[in-house]
Amino acid sequence: DQQVKQNSPSLSVQEGRISILNCDYTNSMFDYFLWYKKYPAEGPTFLISISSIKDKNEDGRFTVFLNKSAKHLSLHIVPSQPGDSAVYFCAAKRAGGGADGLTFGKGTHLIIQP
Amino acid sequence: DSGVTQTPKHLITATGQRVTLRCSPRSGDLSVYWYQQSLDQGLQFLIQYYNGEERAKGNILERFSAQQFPDLHSELNLSSLELGDSALYFCASSVAVGEGWNGYTFGSGTRLTVV
Repeated sequence: DQQVKQNSPSLSVQEGRISILNCDYTNSMFDYFLWYKKYPAEGPTFLISISSIKDKNEDGRFTVFLNKSAKHLSLHIVPSQPGDSAVYFCAAKRAGGGADGLTFGKGTHLIIQP
Repeated sequence: DSGVTQTPKHLITATGQRVTLRCSPRSGDLSVYWYQQSLDQGLQFLIQYYNGEERAKGNILERFSAQQFPDLHSELNLSSLELGDSALYFCASSVAVGEGWNGYTFGSGTRLTVV
C-alpha cells in the first residue's frame, strides 16, 4: 500500500522554465511533508518542508504547496537550472511526535534540458 | 560530506551469506534510521534507533537486524542473503522533530550486490 505516491517517474523541463513535481498521499495522519533531492551515487539531501498547518512554504527558487483537502502537494522550481537535474523524493511524517520513520514516494527523475 | 558516514560503500557477496553495514550518525544526532532502496522502488523504511534503543520498525525482514551502540553508531546485519536483497542501503540521522524540522541527514549509502 503506497501511502505517498509520485505518479510521474520522470519529467523533462527546459532550462529557465518552471518545474512542477507532484505528490499525493493517502494517510490523513501525516502532519509534515518534505522534499528530498538525490544525485546518483549520493544520499538524498533535504530540500524543503512544510507543516500541515500551512499551505505554502518558499525558499529561494523552491516553493512547496500543500492542499490538504486534496491530499496533494507540489514542488515548484523557478527558474529551473541544469543543476536541478536529479531524482526528487516526496516524504511524509505521521503525527504523534517523536522522530518516526518517514514514508517516501518512489521519486520523480527531473531532467533539465539546455 | 553530510556528516553521516556509511561503510562499506560497496559490498558483493554470495547468496546465503551474512553481512554487516555500519553507520556513524552526524555529531549530536541521537536517532539513526535505516532505509532500503531497491530498483524502481522508493526508500523503504526498515528500522529506527534512538539513543541505543529500538524506536520504530518498518518493513524489515526477520533475516535482518540492527543495533545502536553506546557511541551511537549503528550496524545493520543482513543474513541468509537472497538475490532480492541486492539494493542500496541508506542510513540517516536526526536530532528531533520540531518546528522547521529539516528531516534527516542521509549518508551516501552502501550498495549491496548479492550474486
